[in-house]
Parts: sequence; C-alpha cells; structure tokens
Amino acid sequence: AAGVIQSPRHLIKEKRETATLKCYPIPRHDTVYWYQQGPGQDPQFLISFYEKMQSDKGSIPDRFSAQQFSDYHSELNMSSLELGDSALYFCASSLYEGYTFGSGTRLTVV
Amino acid sequence: KNQVEQSPQSLIILEGKNCTLQCNYTVSPFSNLRWYKQDTGRGPVSLTIMTFSENTKSNGRYTATLDADTKQSSLHITASQLSDSASYICVVSRLRFSSGSARQLTFGSGTQLTVLP
Repeated sequence: AAGVIQSPRHLIKEKRETATLKCYPIPRHDTVYWYQQGPGQDPQFLISFYEKMQSDKGSIPDRFSAQQFSDYHSELNMSSLELGDSALYFCASSLYEGYTFGSGTRLTVV
Repeated sequence: KNQVEQSPQSLIILEGKNCTLQCNYTVSPFSNLRWYKQDTGRGPVSLTIMTFSENTKSNGRYTATLDADTKQSSLHITASQLSDSASYICVVSRLRFSSGSARQLTFGSGTQLTVLP
C-alpha cells in the first residue's frame, strides 16, 4: 500500500540558507500535518492543511511557511535557517482516523 | 492542558520476555489513542488505534488496552525480539470542532525500549 512520501530524506544546509521539504500524502487523504522533532525531543506540531487550506497552526516560526497544492502534496519552506532548526521533520496525512506518518526529512544546519 | 504522560521513560528487557508500557492522558475532547513505534531518525509507525468504545486491540505481539474512564492505556509486548528496540510513543487525538474538522495530535514523550540478547 502507498505510504506518505517525504523528500529529501536528508538535507544539509548552511546558516541563513533556505530549504524546502516536500510531503506526498496517501492518495485520498484530505489532511496533512507537519511536525518538527529535535534530538531526544517530542514531536512539535507546526502546521496542518485540510483540503488545501491551512486548518491549524502550532509552533511554526515566522521564518517557515507551508502550503498544500492542488494535487494535495505539501511543501514546508524554511528561510534564514538557524542551527537550532536542525531536526527531523516529518509529515502525516489522514482521512478521518487513519493517520500515517512519513519517514521524515533529516535537516542538518551547519 | 492537554497532556500525554508515558512511563517508564526507558526500559531494558531480555529477548523473549514480556513488557508493559503505560500511557496516561488528559486530552479532551478525546477522539482516539494510538501507539506508535519509532526507530531512531524515522517517522512513527502505527501499531494500534483505539477509540472511546474499545477496550483492547491486538496487532501480532502487541496488545493495547484503553480505559476511557481513568484515561489510561497500556501497550503489552509479548515474546520480545531484538527488533522491538525502539521508542514507543502514545499519541492521543483531540477533536476540533472547526471548519475542515482538522484534528490535532498530542504526543507522549515515549518509552525507550531496549531488548538485549
């Protein structure tokens, strides 16, 4: 069965650079969530989209933005990267109760 | 405040032994509770999902229980294997009565399970 696909799997950026993370939800899932998980930390909810509209906002910095496109894939754009942005970023998609997580993108800011 | 607390924080057991992980929550209004297995550097993988009306659910060697009255859940792992070494996370979903019916998940801090040969 198709899963949630995230790309890239790993990303290394320098401070002040920009990064774009992509998430392809399970077909027909109508909601996408983005999470940030620092080393040894709980996942922190960033933002979610329902039917291509932002539906909920968590602890997403102003330097980050996200959107969901007509094909339901979502992108998380991160600008002016800081060392503290180094983390595992994963998205989840759902339809009703069927949450499924992607394997995540490991972002390292150097 | 919506919270999910897990215990123990870490657990070391020998291969073949059983273990039980605990999860207490205060999330409201409650929608469902999931147990996930998360390997280091990977996204969580669902083990079980339980709604308000379900008391027990099994998935192979994993058995989850839910007591919605006391807001407690447990995950029992039988005949542990080396590959069971991972972080086990309890995630509770809260209903949001807003347009789009988006739901927000509250994560526990996880129990780090190590299975030794």
